[in-house]
Order: sequence, then C-alpha cells, then structure tokens
Amino acid sequence: EPEVTQTPSHQVTQMGQEVILRCVPISNHLYFYWYRQILGQKVEFLVSFYNNEISEKSEIFDDRFSVERPDGSNFTLKIRSTKLEDSAMYFCARQVQRGPQHFGDGTRLSIL
Amino acid sequence: QKEVEQDPGPLSVPEGAIVSLNCTYSNSAFQYFMWYRQYSRKGPELLMYTYSSGNKEDGRFTAQVDKSSKYISLFIRDSQPSDSATYLCAMSVTESGGSYIPTFGRGTSLIVHP
Repeated sequence: EPEVTQTPSHQVTQMGQEVILRCVPISNHLYFYWYRQILGQKVEFLVSFYNNEISEKSEIFDDRFSVERPDGSNFTLKIRSTKLEDSAMYFCARQVQRGPQHFGDGTRLSIL
Repeated sequence: QKEVEQDPGPLSVPEGAIVSLNCTYSNSAFQYFMWYRQYSRKGPELLMYTYSSGNKEDGRFTAQVDKSSKYISLFIRDSQPSDSATYLCAMSVTESGGSYIPTFGRGTSLIVHP
C-alpha cells in the first residue's frame, strides 16, 4: 500500500479549466513533493513543500500552479488555465527528515 | 550531456535469470542513489536506497554504486514474472535544510517471461 493516498485516480478536464489534485499523507511528515510524469518520459520535479511553505520549485511550476495544505492534512496541487501539455501523471511524495521519497499512486490528468 | 542516462529497453529475460540494470550520471556531487520499481499506471515504489560507493543487498536485489566511474547498477537474482515493470534510477545531492530533490533516469522496461 502506498504511504500517501491521491485522489482522484483519473481526472478529465477541458482545456482552460482549473483542476485540483489531492494528496493525503498517512502519517505526519514535514516534506511533501509534487512530481509529474508525461507518458513515456522521466519523472519531473514540480515543487517541494516544507513546514507549510514552498521550499523549492522547478521551471515547470509556473504561475498557473499552486500548492496548499488547507486543513493541515490534505495537500493539494491546483492548476489554473489548463493546457493540453499538462496531461500527465501527477505524483505526490512524502519524505521523512533525511531519506528517500515515497510516492503515491498518482492522478492521471487528461486535458481535452 | 544528460545528467542521468538509463537505457529504456525493453529488456526481456527468461524466468530465473539474473538481471542487471544500469545508470550512468555526470554530476559528481550526487551522493544518494535510489532504485524505484514502477508498474503500469502506478507510482514509483522504492526498492533500494544507498549512500556512497559499494554494495547493498536486500533479498533478491543488490544495488551497486561506483562513484569513481559514475555508474550504478541494480541486480535482480532469480527473476520472476512479477518483476516485470519499469525500473527507475534516481540520485540526489544534499540540499540545505535536508530537502532532497532526486534526478530520475528515464527508466528501463523489464519483461520476465515464464
């Protein structure tokens, strides 16, 4: 069983619409991450979130993207004004202090 | 030159074979090395996590790191059809504050046929 739960498993959205992807860590961790994986390509880092703040972000994470931890539990990735090229698998990952990251099973985002 | 190179395969082997999966890298600052297994439509699942050069064994899996050659390997003994998946290597440097952002390889698709 993955150590983070992601919902929905599949999201289909019209281009230009907003989507919210959710991640629920099973236990309390300090570090959270979002990654994306376009079909057949590498896993790419989007953003890291530490102590309820963004600590690092990649060039992919432009101003259409935002992350929140609205209720201290769920961890969300919002994408505004979606584009066709946003179609990908999006993974949430958690990390304990010093160590590797553990991934959820992802949300498959399809932009039409 | 890409930071992490990994042959995408597919690599097809018979059941019971020893499998060798490899990655090369260019950034000598990488200190932490990971292997993940990814089944279709699933998230990467951590298999091995190593620091510095040497070997690490866990059941049928052995991870090997050669920092002088910038080369890492994952060996799978007695391979099973259930090992059929994509294997991702990943590596990272220490970031201040303890945040590690791994760089992933493209993944090697492994097929173990009965």
